[in-house]
Amino acid sequence: GAGVSQSPRYKVAKRGQDVALRCDPISGHVSLFWYQQALGQGPEFLTYFQNEAQLDKSGLPSDRFFAERPEGSVSTLKIQRTQQEDSAVYLCASSLGRQGASSPLHFGNGTRLTVT
Amino acid sequence: GDSVTQMEGPVTLSEEAFLTINCTYTATGYPSLFWYVQYPGEGLQLLLKATKADDKGSNKGFEATYRKETTSFHLEKGSVQVSDSAVYFCALSDQGAQKLVFGQGTRLTINP
Repeated sequence: GAGVSQSPRYKVAKRGQDVALRCDPISGHVSLFWYQQALGQGPEFLTYFQNEAQLDKSGLPSDRFFAERPEGSVSTLKIQRTQQEDSAVYLCASSLGRQGASSPLHFGNGTRLTVT
Repeated sequence: GDSVTQMEGPVTLSEEAFLTINCTYTATGYPSLFWYVQYPGEGLQLLLKATKADDKGSNKGFEATYRKETTSFHLEKGSVQVSDSAVYFCALSDQGAQKLVFGQGTRLTINP
């Protein structure tokens, strides 16, 4: 497909487990974002990549959260030692330009993480 | 810090009714303003945007005007359809920043 693809669609983890969430952006898109969306809330910024460079990680809530985009395309968000408060939908978005949010953002359908 | 406040939902209207969803913002600079929409089972999509004061964004019959004096960006549509049922998010991007700051979302349901 031509859209942003995220996998898995749903993930259930026991507290303390590590998880890895994958994002395949639209081919050729330079900018990539991760957002966290708690139930009934708007998305909250986690981190931003321009190609392979992570230019902003100010939204990562703790050092248990780590994101990478080693070849400037696919990105992985890793959460170590998951906690119940990590339960949320994790959204990935990409855009063609380097202007960040000023370029139209294309969002994936998200990964719903439930920590039990 | 920057923030966006939307009117509380959910909002339920009948088809062909007039819609307003209020949005106000707080920002340190001169932000760009956006409305995103999430239809059932789909990802967030950009609905419209405005990048400077007094600009009007419009798309699919929806409009919003960037009002600097009232720090608002209210979403309006003159005659809603059942297919407009979705969750609507107001958002801003501060000048020079890459990230979006979202409001909490407003769930809209249109009954036939």
